[in-house]
Amino acid sequence: GIQVEQSPPDLILQEGANSTLRCNFSDSVNNLQWFHQNPWGQLINLFYIPSGTKQNGRLSATTVATERYSLLYISSSQTTDSGVYFCAVFGGATNKLIFGTGTLLAVQP
Amino acid sequence: ETGVTQTPRHLVMGMTNKKSLKCEQHLGHNAMYWYKQSAKKPLELMFVYSLEERVENNSVPSRFSPECPNSSHLFLHLHTLQPEDSALYLCASSQDITNTEAFFGQGTRLTVV
Repeated sequence: GIQVEQSPPDLILQEGANSTLRCNFSDSVNNLQWFHQNPWGQLINLFYIPSGTKQNGRLSATTVATERYSLLYISSSQTTDSGVYFCAVFGGATNKLIFGTGTLLAVQP
Repeated sequence: ETGVTQTPRHLVMGMTNKKSLKCEQHLGHNAMYWYKQSAKKPLELMFVYSLEERVENNSVPSRFSPECPNSSHLFLHLHTLQPEDSALYLCASSQDITNTEAFFGQGTRLTVV
């Protein structure tokens, strides 16, 4: 099946800093989503981005499907950005949204 | 306010108990999913339902029994669980089972004692 790897696994930032999170996947995909998991466990949809670039406030994402990776950019980070960021892909011959292992982000004041 | 609602938010149960987790979606979607998230592990897909029919059972033990009475509701019936089944159980829905955007509920944090 498709393998999804995220990097870095952990990231500590000072408030106001920028960061880039990466998601690599091993096969062609039809769908890619980025999620933020808050401290209470809920997965918040950030982007639905099978290809191209999207922006939403301080967050933006780019997926290069032909090269099998996606990037999530966080600018001017805030403490409320802390949590785990997951990418998930849907592809191949299965009806499955496959999750990466996540990036744990801690933004310090 | 999420379009996918799970109850209860927290559940503690003994190994001999029977309990059920409930998921309801208000998005008009046709596909619903159960995921399990254990500590230090990626989210694992458990079951997929499309138009109330189970289309995926990801080698889940029979002590977990899903039920989808209609396209808006999904249950996960639990019986004779083990302590290692303690985890966050997440429900999701999407328009259909092909490559469409999935939306998740708040999750039920289950502890088996």
